[in-house]
Amino acid sequence: AQSVTQLGSHVSVSEGALVLLRCNYSSSVPPYLFWYVQYPNQGLQLLLKYTSAATLVKGINGFEAEFKKSETSFHLTKPSAHMSDAAEYFCAVSESGANSKLTFGKGITLSVRP
Amino acid sequence: SQTIHQWPATLVQPVGSPLSLECTVEGTSNPNLYWYRQAAGRGLQLLFYSVGIGQISSEVPQNLSASRPQDRQFILSSKKLLLSDSGFYLCAWSVLRASLYFGAGTRLSVL
Repeated sequence: AQSVTQLGSHVSVSEGALVLLRCNYSSSVPPYLFWYVQYPNQGLQLLLKYTSAATLVKGINGFEAEFKKSETSFHLTKPSAHMSDAAEYFCAVSESGANSKLTFGKGITLSVRP
Repeated sequence: SQTIHQWPATLVQPVGSPLSLECTVEGTSNPNLYWYRQAAGRGLQLLFYSVGIGQISSEVPQNLSASRPQDRQFILSSKKLLLSDSGFYLCAWSVLRASLYFGAGTRLSVL
């Protein structure tokens, strides 16, 4: 069985500060890992994904995430937060041999202070 | 390019009334289709998924059902809504081993 843990429900940063959103996963087989972003009253948009190629994955809007097998982590970072980054962020995992059945974390809300 | 349409965007229904939410995908063939529900503070819960016409898998026991009458059409239904059915419903599609792509969602309020 696979699972994702996103600790905390809310992160607040100042505009221009580093963004770090944590994600730890559990999977019995090599995982595929994803980060999605959701703006209010909208669907989820794929930010980036790891599918067993390079461990440092770059996504849209300046975000990146690093797969660390030893730590079972896939934390999302952005060097400098922008007001438009305020949204809810979801980490998700699927088993690499599976049929795209994703398991999502509970999500974390990012607030950006001016 | 592929697009996914989901409607309506918002819906207010009385308890005990029926429900029909529709989702269609364009620009791809034989997609996997999914219905998720998002309740406040609870993340996303997979309700149903389908790998082909007429093939529906239910992930959790509930008051809802799903159907796939055509390759790119996925319908979420209920005969009698409960208060606990309120939430944000998201349809999504994928092709084998690829990422999920989501519709814009339907906000359902059962009163």
